[in-house]
Amino acid sequence: QSVLTQPPSVSAAPGQKVTISCSGSSSNIGNNYVSWYQQLPGTVPKLLIYDNNKRPSGIPDRFSGSKSGTSATLGITGLQTGDEADYYCGTWDSSLSGWVFGGGTKLTVL
Amino acid sequence: EVQVLESGGGLVQPGGSLRLSCVASGFTFSAYAMTWVRQAPGKGLEWVSVIRDGNDNTYYADSVRGRFTISRDNSKNTVYLEMNSLRAEDTAVYYCAKNIYYFENWGQGTLVTVSS
Repeated sequence: QSVLTQPPSVSAAPGQKVTISCSGSSSNIGNNYVSWYQQLPGTVPKLLIYDNNKRPSGIPDRFSGSKSGTSATLGITGLQTGDEADYYCGTWDSSLSGWVFGGGTKLTVL
Repeated sequence: EVQVLESGGGLVQPGGSLRLSCVASGFTFSAYAMTWVRQAPGKGLEWVSVIRDGNDNTYYADSVRGRFTISRDNSKNTVYLEMNSLRAEDTAVYYCAKNIYYFENWGQGTLVTVSS
């Protein structure tokens, strides 16, 4: 059981918008930055969002991040079939003195 | 260009040991924390260990504490993961990444298989 809770799967049609939630607690999301990672099938995880809502260079603005209290959300607009991947949230947990990830969410673009 | 390259994976028997290496380039290695993350076949990401820059403080996941040791050699731009008392559940691809408040610049990973 992961410390951070994500839905196992989400789906939407091409061109539509989808959100992926990540729920934690005051010891992790509530007091630390959240980052998001995209793992396309058979590839290495890639940083998608850092510091709750910042995008690394090269990440399109279709991807966005937000945080409120002990939850974070990844938003993807204008869905493309190439967005089909597993998405993970991650943050530092001050009580565990370690990093924690969500269990991952599989995005299907129908 | 930042590059991170892991090596040292392989097949090992339960109870055995293995040492992974991660060589980094393209940034001031000594100024950054470095972390190991693993992914078991068909499973999600699991953070394993981090070694800080500066004071070299180390932290471990409960699942590996006491069995794994992380270290770094700044003169070689290399971080190591010494793994002892390996178990079947340690079977995974092990990734090394530059660690700020997030994991940037992941390597391609090295596969560790623990099996008799």
